[in-house]
Amino acid sequence: DSGVTQTPKHLITATGQRVTLRCSPRSGDLSVYWYQQSLDQGLQFLIQYYNGEERAKGNILERFSAQQFPDLHSELNLSSLELGDSALYFCASSVGGGRVDEQFFGPGTRLTVL
Amino acid sequence: DQQVKQNSPSLSVQEGRISILNCDYTNSMFDYFLWYKKYPAEGPTFLISISSIKDKNEDGRFTVFLNKSAKHLSLHIVPSQPGDSAVYFCAARGSGNTPLVFGKGTRLSVIA
Repeated sequence: DSGVTQTPKHLITATGQRVTLRCSPRSGDLSVYWYQQSLDQGLQFLIQYYNGEERAKGNILERFSAQQFPDLHSELNLSSLELGDSALYFCASSVGGGRVDEQFFGPGTRLTVL
Repeated sequence: DQQVKQNSPSLSVQEGRISILNCDYTNSMFDYFLWYKKYPAEGPTFLISISSIKDKNEDGRFTVFLNKSAKHLSLHIVPSQPGDSAVYFCAARGSGNTPLVFGKGTRLSVIA
């Protein structure tokens, strides 16, 4: 158990819909990262937050947005969903603050868009 | 453009033998490298890392080797155990708390 929690575990929805994925980082971690893993692909970095502020952006679509709240949990919002958005979405956390440290991953949310 | 490449999608090794997983990178600004292990239905878990100032880091049965001139790193597992069967991801980052760039992973099967 990494200490990072993600809800829901599975999500099935239809094209055009909007969903919200939630992540709670490990206690004490200030950085939260979101990754997408599509079939036969590695983990693609989407976005990073540090203590409530956006720190880095990767290949995140404009239809996707995220935020980190004062209690440090984070939400990833996916809208106007397409079939190709079906993937595993992972959240990771780290202590952050400019130190080089490893990231701890949650169990992921499997999104299926029908 | 893939900055971190794991060219072997799968690897099969007998129990007790050495497993060698390879990873190549293209970005010379990467200075910290990590290996993650992933079991089905779980998130990746950190295994071992190496800074670019070193060429080897060892932790029990796991050793990571870094060849900066060749932009190549490898993970050695010896002896391999059936519980090591998983997907192994190589990842790299630049300095500071920058996002990780992952390879596509190598599925290791350790056969008893």
